Amino acid sequence: SAVISQKPSRDICQRGTSLTIQCQVDSQVTMMFWYRQQPGQSLTLIATANQGSEATYESGFVIDKFPISRPNLTFSTLTVSNLSPEDSSIYLCSAPGADQETQYFGPGTRLLVL
Amino acid sequence: QKEVEQNSGPLSVPEGAIASLNCTYSDRGSQSFFWYRQYSGKSPELIMFIYSNGDKEDGRFTAQLNKASQYVSLLIRDSQPSDSATYLCAVNKAGGYQKVTFGTGTKLQVIP
Repeated sequence: SAVISQKPSRDICQRGTSLTIQCQVDSQVTMMFWYRQQPGQSLTLIATANQGSEATYESGFVIDKFPISRPNLTFSTLTVSNLSPEDSSIYLCSAPGADQETQYFGPGTRLLVL
Repeated sequence: QKEVEQNSGPLSVPEGAIASLNCTYSDRGSQSFFWYRQYSGKSPELIMFIYSNGDKEDGRFTAQLNKASQYVSLLIRDSQPSDSATYLCAVNKAGGYQKVTFGTGTKLQVIP
């Protein structure tokens, strides 16, 4: 399995500001994934972070709102920009295991926007 | 039609019973199927994956896949109160590592 850490674990932010979430994997992986889980809901994929190329965004998510960096094979950041209360959610990063089929999740970042 | 469908529950079973969790998917080309357990306030934890038709057993857990019916299930034998959680079904549309689509999850309550 992959061991994944995220920082911060939680934050409270003011409307209009931005939050950058960091994700670290204990092994080199080609792709990392960012998800959002709104209260009481399932996971929604925001984007795929590819090392060496632009992130691939899912329908309804745009780079201006959710810029992603992927500077190397073990690290990625997701920024949630121009925060509004609707962005209050849990943000999760994930990465594949050694078999490239299974997917493992970090502990998540709980964001509250006031 | 949702890509991955699950009954939201809650599904209540007495301690020691078998819990049966079900999931259907819409894309007949799907190839990999996963079950995650998510405790309240925690991130999803992978508990089972299955690629071929039939049953796959791991301890108290059995995953069952029927591609013809586009149906995947998770059985939990000898259910324990610690099994109380939300169980997420996830489907990978293509072979190799691709985007995984999650169902909305079934909340399981094991009653002591």
